[in-house]
Amino acid sequence: DQQVKQNSPSLSVQEGRISILNCDYTNSMFDYFLWYKKYPAEGPTFLISISSIKDKNEDGRFTVFLNKSAKHLSLHIVPSQPGDSAVYFCAAPSDRYAGNMLTFGGGTRLMVKP
Amino acid sequence: NAGVTQTPKFRVLKTGQSMTLLCAQDMNHEYMYWYRQDPGMGLRLIHYSVGEGTTAKGEVPDGYNVSRLKKQNFLLGLESAAPSQTSVYFCASSYPVYEQYFGPGTRLTVT
Repeated sequence: DQQVKQNSPSLSVQEGRISILNCDYTNSMFDYFLWYKKYPAEGPTFLISISSIKDKNEDGRFTVFLNKSAKHLSLHIVPSQPGDSAVYFCAAPSDRYAGNMLTFGGGTRLMVKP
Repeated sequence: NAGVTQTPKFRVLKTGQSMTLLCAQDMNHEYMYWYRQDPGMGLRLIHYSVGEGTTAKGEVPDGYNVSRLKKQNFLLGLESAAPSQTSVYFCASSYPVYEQYFGPGTRLTVT
């Protein structure tokens, strides 16, 4: 049963600095991971993903790193902007259900201070 | 394209009342999902569907029923609401790939 954990419920960063959000998973069989971003009163939106054939994927200010041996991924936001303030969820394929189900972490609330 | 829409946006129920949440998508996606979000719990899968006329249980299905009579719609029903069902409910859809598209959510309070 795939477990996905985000051990930091919140993170506060100064504008312009780097934000690093962390995620750990338990099942090394799956090889695709996603990050979602959620603003208050809105649904989550897909942000960036990574597959295990890579250890890094970059999209503008957002970079996701995958450490397969540690079963750990991280999302880096550089430079952080106040508009990045949101809840970030990492997700991994669930091994419990048919189809492309995802298991989500508990989320990390990022606050970027001007 | 409207993407994924949810009706209603807010609802207050009394214990024991019933209601149906409607999800609609216009992206011709095969897969649809219902999640609930509670503080610190992330998104937990209630029920899902991999095609018209098919449904299956997710992680937390008790107290909920679903139907997918049309490909574009996925209904979530609460037959007898309980305070433990106070939550924010999200519908999502996808092709047979991992990226899911979410609706704006329904905030349900059961008193």
